[in-house]
Amino acid sequence: QSALAQPASVSGSPGQSITISCTGTNSDIGGYNYVSWYQQHPGKAPKLVIYEVSNRPSGVSNRFSGSKSGNAASLTISGLQAEDEADYYCTSYTTSSTYLFGTGTKVTVL
Amino acid sequence: QVQLQESGPGLVKPSQTLSLTCTVSGASILSGDYYWIWIRQHPGQGLEWVGYVYNSGSAYYNPSLRSRLTLSVDTSKNQFSLRVTSVTAADTAMYYCARVPIGSGSGRYFDLWGRGTLVTVSS
Repeated sequence: QSALAQPASVSGSPGQSITISCTGTNSDIGGYNYVSWYQQHPGKAPKLVIYEVSNRPSGVSNRFSGSKSGNAASLTISGLQAEDEADYYCTSYTTSSTYLFGTGTKVTVL
Repeated sequence: QVQLQESGPGLVKPSQTLSLTCTVSGASILSGDYYWIWIRQHPGQGLEWVGYVYNSGSAYYNPSLRSRLTLSVDTSKNQFSLRVTSVTAADTAMYYCARVPIGSGSGRYFDLWGRGTLVTVSS
């Protein structure tokens, strides 16, 4: 199984919006609305920021939003803040009852 | 609140068996509709799912690890466990346990994570 494709890095200035893409196939992203996104700061466990494509867990800033079109999903962070600097991973449940993670994107706040 | 905590040896010799346990605290492992997943992260690398286990003991494994992997649940101890046989340096990683809601319509995401435990395979 190949990992979901994400850009290695994305950067933006404080206050700007950035979007991270996540590309899969019709056996994973395209198969279900089971895409989730995780934020990971250095030395910390990942944290759920988006689930089921576009839902935010309680306590996650509304600056985080998600969407999906066909076999690709995306995470948008609006009003970028210094605390958003982290690695971000998408994941999808697949039609084989397995999981695929994205390759990971390092977000840098300039 | 509900918490997950991984435990196990931090150092394992090549060809030996790696055993880790995740203890669920703050709630019964049987409460709610969840299954339990292991995820690992090689040093400086991305995330990789290892396998997941239902409270019934049924388990699904990453095909790349299936031949060496066993997952189990001990409801009396509120724990679930991972066992990897014949380890090599390639199994050196941070291992995380996490919880997956599986109620009707639930999207198979990982809503609660442990802090992780680093396992190094070395002689």
